Amino acid sequence: DSGVTQTPKHLITATGQRVTLRCSPRSGDLSVYWYQQSLDQGLQFLIQYYNGEERAKGNILERFSAQQFPDLHSELNLSSLELGDSALYFCASSVDGGSNEKLFFGSGTQLSVL
Amino acid sequence: GQNIDQPTEMTATEGAIVQINCTYQTSGFNGLFWYQQHAGEAPTFLSYNVLDGLEEKGRFSSFLSRSKGYSYLLLKELQMKDSASYLCAVRPRGDKIIFGKGTRLHILP
Repeated sequence: DSGVTQTPKHLITATGQRVTLRCSPRSGDLSVYWYQQSLDQGLQFLIQYYNGEERAKGNILERFSAQQFPDLHSELNLSSLELGDSALYFCASSVDGGSNEKLFFGSGTQLSVL
Repeated sequence: GQNIDQPTEMTATEGAIVQINCTYQTSGFNGLFWYQQHAGEAPTFLSYNVLDGLEEKGRFSSFLSRSKGYSYLLLKELQMKDSASYLCAVRPRGDKIIFGKGTRLHILP
């Protein structure tokens, strides 16, 4: 158990809908990362937050948004869902995002868009 | 841009040694990571290299050459439970970590 909690584990929804994925980092970790993993693309970096502020952005679509709250949990919002958004979404955390820090991953949310 | 390359799949025999290579081209370098990921599960940390050379940790070792943009993960005394994907990842600067697509390793009895 990495100590990172993601909910829900599975989500099935329809095209055009909006969903929210939730992540609680390990106790004491200030930095949260979101990744999308599909079969052919591997782990794609979406966005990173540090202590409530956005620190780095990857290839995150405009339909997607995220935030980190004062209690350090984070939410990833996906809207106007398309079939291609079906993927495994991982959240990871680290203490402060320093260079040598490893990431601890949650067990992921499997999103299926039908 | 950022690019990390590693073989898509490899096969090895139980008890043998396997080397998984990774080459990278990134704007900046602040360390290279290897992660193991079993199917449908979360990636778990294996090793970290920031200086050139070999880091050994039990049956697993990782090597880095910054001048060549090259790393490898060496797995010794392979066990069936080592069947998994191995992800090479680079932190270009002090923030995000970029992952390669991973190498699926199949272990044959």
